[in-house]
Amino acid sequence: QVQLAESGGGVVQPGRSLRLSCAASGFTFSTFPIHWFRQSPGKGPEWLAIISYDGTTRYYADSVKDRFTTSRDNSKNTAYLQIDRLRSADTAVYYCARGDPTADDYWGQGTLVTVSS
Amino acid sequence: DIVMTQSPDSLAVSLGERATINCKSSQSVLSRSNKKNYLAWYQQKPGQSPKLLIHWASFRESGVPDRFSGSGSGTDFTLTISSLQAEDVAVYYCQQYYATARTFGGGTKVEIK
Repeated sequence: QVQLAESGGGVVQPGRSLRLSCAASGFTFSTFPIHWFRQSPGKGPEWLAIISYDGTTRYYADSVKDRFTTSRDNSKNTAYLQIDRLRSADTAVYYCARGDPTADDYWGQGTLVTVSS
Repeated sequence: DIVMTQSPDSLAVSLGERATINCKSSQSVLSRSNKKNYLAWYQQKPGQSPKLLIHWASFRESGVPDRFSGSGSGTDFTLTISSLQAEDVAVYYCQQYYATARTFGGGTKVEIK
């Protein structure tokens, strides 16, 4: 079955960097784009970025494009989200999701990032 | 960005009764080329990730009970739960995927009256 599993979250000081991972299984990872979303406590999901199936094309939300970088390693069935210069407003659960043509159909369970000194 | 507006913010419905959630987009999400509405509905229970219920505005995902239905086109959409069950207590979000930059409605919290 299709599964996505995020990891790499934790408590991080403001200004530091963090790299989140999204490990995929149960489908041909190299043929699907991957989206990244986050959800702050009590809020709805917010789209952050997408990386194409082959990693050659990436788009970012305007609010994060200067600090967030997404990449992928299809040999490891894993996508990544690098977050630089972390701020308190980045505190959220971060999700990856498979970008099927019909919809963003499978989401991981999320990884919590807490930015605090 | 396409702005998605959901109503109501919350909804209390008796077991077995109908729940209706509305979603409006700031621009049409209907593709002229394939005549599909790029509108999805998600269900999110506490502590869980969003679960896709409906895509293309009205197509239920495999395994989703048929009491869930989606309708609408262009800019106005509706999610209906025809007979609310206890396990349907959740927050429901509409999402447009017409644009690469996905956007979501503010969510509707559905509770039991």
